[in-house]
Amino acid sequence: AQSVAQPEDQVNVAEGNPLTVKCTYSVSGNPYLFWYVQYPNRGLQFLLKYITGDNLVKGSYGFEAEFNKSQTSFHLKKPSALVSDSALYFCAVRDMGSTGRRALTFGSGTRLQVQP
Amino acid sequence: GAVVSQHPSRVICKSGTSVKIECRSLDFQATTMFWYRQFPKQSLMLMATSNEGSKATYEQGVEKDKFLINHASLTLSTLTVTSAHPEDSSFYICSAGAGGAQETQYFGPGTRLLVL
Repeated sequence: AQSVAQPEDQVNVAEGNPLTVKCTYSVSGNPYLFWYVQYPNRGLQFLLKYITGDNLVKGSYGFEAEFNKSQTSFHLKKPSALVSDSALYFCAVRDMGSTGRRALTFGSGTRLQVQP
Repeated sequence: GAVVSQHPSRVICKSGTSVKIECRSLDFQATTMFWYRQFPKQSLMLMATSNEGSKATYEQGVEKDKFLINHASLTLSTLTVTSAHPEDSSFYICSAGAGGAQETQYFGPGTRLLVL
């Protein structure tokens, strides 16, 4: 079985400061990892994904994430937060070895609040 | 990225009626679509996987006779909530993937269902 943990319900950061949203995962095989962002009453927008290759993945809106296999983590980062980054962020995983199940397993979500 | 639409965006219905929600992939063909349910301040829970031209695969605990899924074409999947009750009130989100081992799932904007 695959699972995702987002240990922080909420992250508060001042505008202009770097931000990190944490995610750890558990899969039986190799993982496909994703970050999505959700604004109020909206669907999820794709930010970035890790499949293979470089452990540092760059995505939309200046976000990046670092895959760390030994720590089974995929933390989302941004060097300088904007107020408009305030939203709900979801980490998701799919087991690369799972040929039958293509659905994603989501973490519980982390609300990012960027203060002006 | 690819665009997925959902219709309607919001629906209010009386208890006992049926509601149909459409999910369309606008600029790509989706061999598989997924239906999720999201309760307030909670993560997305997979309800079923919809494969074009075949029966949907439901997650454990999801009543297939209550949540009817049809995936008649490569760009359209529908979810019908039959005999809706207040406890079915939720935010329903679909996603679509173009297929392949490294696919990214793109999400619709969601449908807010309120059953009175």
